[in-house]
Amino acid sequence: DVKVTQSSRYLVKRTGEKVFLECVQDMDHENMFWYRQDPGLGLRLIYFSYDVKMKEKGDIPEGYSVSREKKERFSLILESASTNQTSMYLCASSWGPLAKNIQYFGAGTRLSVL
Amino acid sequence: AQTVTQSQPEMSVQEAETVTLSCTYDTSESDYYLFWYKQPPSRQMILVIRQEAYKQQNATENRFSVNFQKAAKSFSLKISDSQLGDAAMYFCAYRDTGTASKLTFGTGTRLQVTL
Repeated sequence: DVKVTQSSRYLVKRTGEKVFLECVQDMDHENMFWYRQDPGLGLRLIYFSYDVKMKEKGDIPEGYSVSREKKERFSLILESASTNQTSMYLCASSWGPLAKNIQYFGAGTRLSVL
Repeated sequence: AQTVTQSQPEMSVQEAETVTLSCTYDTSESDYYLFWYKQPPSRQMILVIRQEAYKQQNATENRFSVNFQKAAKSFSLKISDSQLGDAAMYFCAYRDTGTASKLTFGTGTRLQVTL
């Protein structure tokens, strides 16, 4: 089974802190994604990566950056956390370039910024 | 830009009954993929069913089936013989066929299953 692991289920941070959310997948997937999930808004794509050291902006990249130094690991970085970044963050991965390929999701990290 | 609309924020169904969740989308593409994902209370999202737009036949997976109406840009999910374990958030999603194309999600429908 594909496993996508997010390092924390719950995280509480202070405004202005630098925050790292880590995601690791064990299936050698090329593509990795970070989404933000908010009630009534569904999932919105923050960033994605289709190869090591490659990244593409999604729909809401402002206030976030990402890092992919190794194929299995994709990190989401909040350079200076703000209260409006309180949300559920979901990581996903998929294999290959085909649009029909399934995205596999992690369990999510619920981040609270106080 | 593509959009996906789920007009039912919440639905309820009795155990063993059938329920249909609605989804509409907007695109100018002729070839694309549609997905239904399920997010149980434990929060790990899993794929329920996938439909390829160029296939006229509706996809089915056991108790789950879709009604894909390409001209109407409608993609509803039917759950037959509902079970308590079907209670979850259900998200409809769209993806066009470009290699770097992203998955666009609807806002979700919360399904409750009652005894």
